[in-house]
Amino acid sequence: GAVVSQHPSWVICKSGTSVKIECRSLDFQATTMFWYRQFPKQSLMLMATSNEGSKATYEQGVEKDKFLINHASLTLSTLTVTSAHPEDSSFYICSARDNNLFLGDLGNEKLFFGSGTQLSVL
Amino acid sequence: AQKITQTQPGMFVQEKEAVTLDCTYDTSDPSYGLFWYKQPSSGEMIFLIYQGSYDQQNATEGRYSLNFQKARKSANLVISASQLGDSAMYFCAMREGIKGSSNTGKLIFGQGTTLQVKP
Repeated sequence: GAVVSQHPSWVICKSGTSVKIECRSLDFQATTMFWYRQFPKQSLMLMATSNEGSKATYEQGVEKDKFLINHASLTLSTLTVTSAHPEDSSFYICSARDNNLFLGDLGNEKLFFGSGTQLSVL
Repeated sequence: AQKITQTQPGMFVQEKEAVTLDCTYDTSDPSYGLFWYKQPSSGEMIFLIYQGSYDQQNATEGRYSLNFQKARKSANLVISASQLGDSAMYFCAMREGIKGSSNTGKLIFGQGTTLQVKP
């Protein structure tokens, strides 16, 4: 089945540094990927929709200059947390849409999730 | 307004018994899809079951079934014959505008329910 690889699984960094998280679709092309943030025991909050070859669409309240998203190819999207601070510590998870696999209806493409990245900012 | 609501933060069930996890949703779009995911402590999201708004029958996948009540806007997950490995967090999610031009493909998640299966 389709696989989405997310790297790194966990990262610890100092306050003020930038961290890049990669999300790769390994055996399918993903024109659209999604980035979520999750605090412990809470819901997945959609941060942004990453579109191949164009600018990401950010959800309300998400700082685009803080969370830089680049979707330069059909198999790779990256999320860069710039000038990270302790409040950015969270679990980040990506998902990729497979345009050739559907759940029931056309237009309802299957989504596949990465395994997530635990970010800890000291 | 909250689009997906899961009112049970935590649930306990005895091994081998059935359990129902509640989910209600809010949308004015006639074309939508409802999903359930399982998230074990490792953090991965495991797809369990899907129900389309136009589906006439309730979805079933092995021990999982979805009790879809469209008029009540509820999509409860039923897990039969619970196993210890079912202990995890469970999320209900919705995708709107499946058959329309407004289909962004994004999923909106509920708050989640932590299920613990007792031996």
